[in-house]
Amino acid sequence: DAGVIQSPRHEVTEMGQEVTLRCKPISGHNSLFWYRQTMMRGLELLIYFNNNVPIDDSGMPEDRFSAKMPNASFSTLKIQPSEPRDSAVYFCASSLLIVGMPQYFGPGTRLTVL
Amino acid sequence: GENVEQHPSTLSVQEGDSAVIKCTYSDSASNYFPWYKQELGKRPQLIIDIRSNVGEKKDQRIAVTLNKTAKHFSLHITETQPEDSAVYFCAASSPNSGGGADGLTFGKGTHLIIQP
Repeated sequence: DAGVIQSPRHEVTEMGQEVTLRCKPISGHNSLFWYRQTMMRGLELLIYFNNNVPIDDSGMPEDRFSAKMPNASFSTLKIQPSEPRDSAVYFCASSLLIVGMPQYFGPGTRLTVL
Repeated sequence: GENVEQHPSTLSVQEGDSAVIKCTYSDSASNYFPWYKQELGKRPQLIIDIRSNVGEKKDQRIAVTLNKTAKHFSLHITETQPEDSAVYFCAASSPNSGGGADGLTFGKGTHLIIQP
Protein backbone atom coordinates (compact mmCIF):
# COMPACT_ATOMS: atom_id res chain seq x y z
CA ASP A 1 0.00 0.00 0.00
CA ALA A 2 1.30 3.43 -0.89
CA GLY A 3 1.35 5.89 1.96
CA VAL A 4 0.80 9.63 1.71
CA ILE A 5 2.79 11.01 -1.21
CA GLN A 6 4.17 14.54 -1.28
CA SER A 7 6.06 16.44 -3.94
CA PRO A 8 8.50 17.96 -4.27
CA ARG A 9 10.60 16.61 -1.41
CA HIS A 10 12.81 19.67 -1.45
CA GLU A 11 12.16 23.14 -2.83
CA VAL A 12 14.51 26.07 -2.88
CA THR A 13 13.12 29.33 -4.18
CA GLU A 14 13.71 33.03 -3.99
CA MET A 15 11.64 35.49 -2.04
CA GLY A 16 8.63 36.66 -3.98
CA GLN A 17 8.25 33.50 -6.03
CA GLU A 18 5.16 31.31 -6.03
CA VAL A 19 5.51 27.88 -4.42
CA THR A 20 3.12 24.97 -4.88
CA LEU A 21 3.29 21.88 -2.69
CA ARG A 22 1.39 18.73 -3.63
CA CYS A 23 -0.12 15.86 -1.69
CA LYS A 24 -1.80 12.58 -2.55
CA PRO A 25 -3.56 11.02 0.47
CA ILE A 26 -3.82 7.33 1.19
CA SER A 27 -6.45 5.77 -1.04
CA GLY A 28 -9.81 5.66 0.72
CA HIS A 29 -8.92 8.32 3.27
CA ASN A 30 -11.35 11.23 3.23
CA SER A 31 -9.73 13.64 5.67
CA LEU A 32 -6.58 15.53 4.68
CA PHE A 33 -4.44 17.78 6.85
CA TRP A 34 -1.61 20.21 6.12
CA TYR A 35 0.94 20.86 8.89
CA ARG A 36 4.06 23.01 9.08
CA GLN A 37 7.09 22.22 11.24
CA THR A 38 9.71 24.74 12.36
CA MET A 39 12.15 24.79 15.25
CA MET A 40 10.51 27.86 16.73
CA ARG A 41 6.84 26.89 16.44
CA GLY A 42 6.97 23.11 16.33
CA LEU A 43 4.27 21.20 14.46
CA GLU A 44 1.24 23.34 13.69
CA LEU A 45 -1.95 22.65 11.79
CA LEU A 46 -2.53 24.91 8.80
CA ILE A 47 -5.77 23.63 7.29
CA TYR A 48 -7.77 20.46 6.92
CA PHE A 49 -10.36 19.04 4.54
CA ASN A 50 -13.18 16.54 5.00
CA ASN A 51 -14.48 14.99 1.78
CA ASN A 52 -12.55 17.62 -0.20
CA VAL A 53 -14.22 20.51 1.66
CA PRO A 54 -12.06 22.87 3.75
CA ILE A 55 -13.26 22.69 7.36
CA ASP A 56 -10.84 24.83 9.33
CA ASP A 57 -8.24 27.17 7.83
CA SER A 58 -7.66 29.21 10.99
CA GLY A 59 -4.06 28.00 11.09
CA MET A 60 -3.17 29.46 7.71
CA PRO A 61 -0.75 32.22 8.64
CA GLU A 62 -1.59 34.82 6.03
CA ASP A 63 -3.50 35.46 2.85
CA ARG A 64 -0.36 34.50 0.99
CA PHE A 65 -1.22 30.89 1.82
CA SER A 66 -4.00 29.02 0.06
CA ALA A 67 -4.98 25.36 -0.20
CA LYS A 68 -7.24 23.39 -2.48
CA MET A 69 -8.49 19.86 -2.78
CA PRO A 70 -10.08 19.46 -6.22
CA ASN A 71 -10.67 15.72 -5.77
CA ALA A 72 -10.26 12.94 -3.24
CA SER A 73 -6.76 12.06 -4.36
CA PHE A 74 -5.03 15.42 -4.67
CA SER A 75 -4.42 18.56 -2.67
CA THR A 76 -2.18 21.60 -3.10
CA LEU A 77 -0.78 24.18 -0.73
CA LYS A 78 0.29 27.37 -2.44
CA ILE A 79 2.35 30.27 -1.12
CA GLN A 80 2.32 33.44 -3.18
CA PRO A 81 4.50 35.43 -2.75
CA SER A 82 6.91 33.41 -0.66
CA GLU A 83 9.02 34.95 2.11
CA PRO A 84 12.10 33.68 3.99
CA ARG A 85 10.02 33.12 7.15
CA ASP A 86 7.98 30.54 5.23
CA SER A 87 11.02 28.24 5.26
CA ALA A 88 9.91 25.07 7.03
CA VAL A 89 9.00 21.44 6.48
CA TYR A 90 5.43 21.08 5.27
CA PHE A 91 3.69 17.80 6.01
CA CYS A 92 0.50 16.42 4.61
CA ALA A 93 -1.42 13.77 6.57
CA SER A 94 -4.56 11.78 5.89
CA SER A 95 -7.04 9.71 7.84
CA LEU A 96 -10.48 8.19 7.63
CA LEU A 97 -13.35 10.55 8.42
CA ILE A 98 -14.15 8.90 11.73
CA VAL A 99 -13.55 10.30 15.20
CA GLY A 100 -10.40 8.93 16.73
CA MET A 101 -8.85 7.53 13.58
CA PRO A 102 -5.06 7.83 13.19
CA GLN A 103 -3.46 10.36 10.91
CA TYR A 104 -0.63 9.15 8.71
CA PHE A 105 1.99 11.62 7.59
CA GLY A 106 3.69 12.00 4.25
CA PRO A 107 7.48 12.42 3.96
CA GLY A 108 7.21 16.21 3.93
CA THR A 109 8.45 18.98 1.68
CA ARG A 110 11.43 20.93 2.94
CA LEU A 111 10.97 24.49 1.70
CA THR A 112 13.78 27.01 1.72
CA VAL A 113 13.02 30.58 0.69
CA LEU A 114 16.13 32.66 0.07
CA GLY B 1 -8.60 26.35 21.07
CA GLU B 2 -6.69 23.39 22.37
CA ASN B 3 -3.32 23.82 24.08
CA VAL B 4 -0.99 20.87 24.71
CA GLU B 5 1.94 21.14 27.08
CA GLN B 6 4.69 18.48 27.01
CA HIS B 7 7.47 17.74 29.50
CA PRO B 8 10.36 17.28 29.62
CA SER B 9 11.86 18.85 26.51
CA THR B 10 14.91 16.59 26.79
CA LEU B 11 15.17 13.22 28.54
CA SER B 12 18.34 11.18 28.84
CA VAL B 13 18.12 7.63 30.21
CA GLN B 14 20.43 4.65 30.41
CA GLU B 15 19.79 1.82 28.00
CA GLY B 16 17.46 -0.67 29.61
CA ASP B 17 15.85 1.89 31.92
CA SER B 18 12.33 3.27 31.55
CA ALA B 19 11.35 6.65 30.10
CA VAL B 20 8.22 8.64 30.86
CA ILE B 21 6.97 11.66 28.93
CA LYS B 22 4.01 13.67 30.19
CA CYS B 23 1.46 15.91 28.46
CA THR B 24 -1.47 18.03 29.58
CA TYR B 25 -4.29 19.37 27.46
CA SER B 26 -6.80 22.16 27.96
CA ASP B 27 -9.90 21.30 25.92
CA SER B 28 -12.23 18.92 27.76
CA ALA B 29 -13.82 18.02 24.41
CA SER B 30 -10.59 16.38 23.20
CA ASN B 31 -11.06 12.64 22.94
CA TYR B 32 -8.17 11.28 20.88
CA PHE B 33 -4.53 11.32 21.99
CA PRO B 34 -1.83 9.94 19.68
CA TRP B 35 1.91 9.79 20.20
CA TYR B 36 4.35 10.20 17.32
CA LYS B 37 8.03 9.38 17.04
CA GLN B 38 10.15 11.48 14.71
CA GLU B 39 13.68 10.64 13.73
CA LEU B 40 15.96 13.31 12.31
CA GLY B 41 14.87 14.30 8.83
CA LYS B 42 11.94 11.88 8.80
CA ARG B 43 8.19 12.14 9.06
CA PRO B 44 6.30 11.79 12.37
CA GLN B 45 5.31 8.15 12.79
CA LEU B 46 2.40 7.06 14.94
CA ILE B 47 3.56 4.70 17.69
CA ILE B 48 0.50 4.44 19.92
CA ASP B 49 -2.79 6.23 20.52
CA ILE B 50 -5.56 6.25 23.09
CA ARG B 51 -9.17 7.31 23.02
CA SER B 52 -10.97 8.98 25.88
CA ASN B 53 -13.06 5.94 26.75
CA VAL B 54 -9.91 4.04 27.74
CA GLY B 55 -7.56 4.71 30.65
CA GLU B 56 -4.54 2.74 29.53
CA LYS B 57 -3.22 1.01 26.43
CA LYS B 58 -0.12 -1.09 25.97
CA ASP B 59 1.82 -2.32 22.96
CA GLN B 60 4.90 -4.36 23.83
CA ARG B 61 7.38 -1.96 25.47
CA ILE B 62 5.19 1.11 24.98
CA ALA B 63 2.20 2.14 27.07
CA VAL B 64 0.04 5.22 27.31
CA THR B 65 -2.13 6.31 30.22
CA LEU B 66 -4.91 8.89 30.22
CA ASN B 67 -6.44 10.78 33.13
CA LYS B 68 -9.45 12.65 31.76
CA THR B 69 -10.25 14.33 35.06
CA ALA B 70 -6.80 15.86 35.34
CA LYS B 71 -6.49 16.29 31.56
CA HIS B 72 -3.15 14.63 31.29
CA PHE B 73 -1.70 11.65 29.47
CA SER B 74 1.69 9.99 29.53
CA LEU B 75 3.91 7.80 27.39
CA HIS B 76 5.88 5.03 29.07
CA ILE B 77 8.72 3.20 27.33
CA THR B 78 10.25 0.26 29.18
CA GLU B 79 13.56 -1.52 28.55
CA THR B 80 14.77 1.34 26.38
CA GLN B 81 17.02 0.57 23.43
CA PRO B 82 19.33 2.78 21.34
CA GLU B 83 16.79 2.79 18.49
CA ASP B 84 14.30 4.49 20.81
CA SER B 85 16.39 7.68 20.55
CA ALA B 86 14.23 10.24 18.71
CA VAL B 87 11.88 13.18 19.29
CA TYR B 88 8.48 12.16 20.65
CA PHE B 89 5.37 14.29 20.22
CA CYS B 90 2.07 14.02 22.02
CA ALA B 91 -1.07 15.41 20.41
CA ALA B 92 -4.76 15.86 21.02
CA SER B 93 -7.84 16.30 18.87
CA SER B 94 -11.56 16.68 19.39
CA PRO B 95 -14.54 15.66 17.25
CA ASN B 96 -15.95 18.14 14.76
CA SER B 97 -19.55 18.63 13.72
CA GLY B 98 -18.98 16.76 10.46
CA GLY B 99 -18.46 13.39 12.10
CA GLY B 100 -14.69 13.41 11.89
CA ALA B 101 -11.98 14.87 14.01
CA ASP B 102 -10.30 18.23 14.12
CA GLY B 103 -6.66 18.47 13.21
CA LEU B 104 -4.09 17.55 15.81
CA THR B 105 -2.67 20.02 18.32
CA PHE B 106 0.87 18.94 19.12
CA GLY B 107 3.08 19.34 22.15
CA LYS B 108 6.54 20.85 21.60
CA GLY B 109 8.26 17.49 21.63
CA THR B 110 10.65 15.55 23.88
CA HIS B 111 14.14 14.68 22.68
CA LEU B 112 14.75 11.21 24.12
CA ILE B 113 18.39 10.18 24.34
CA ILE B 114 19.27 6.59 25.19
CA GLN B 115 22.74 6.37 26.71
CA PRO B 116 24.55 3.08 25.95
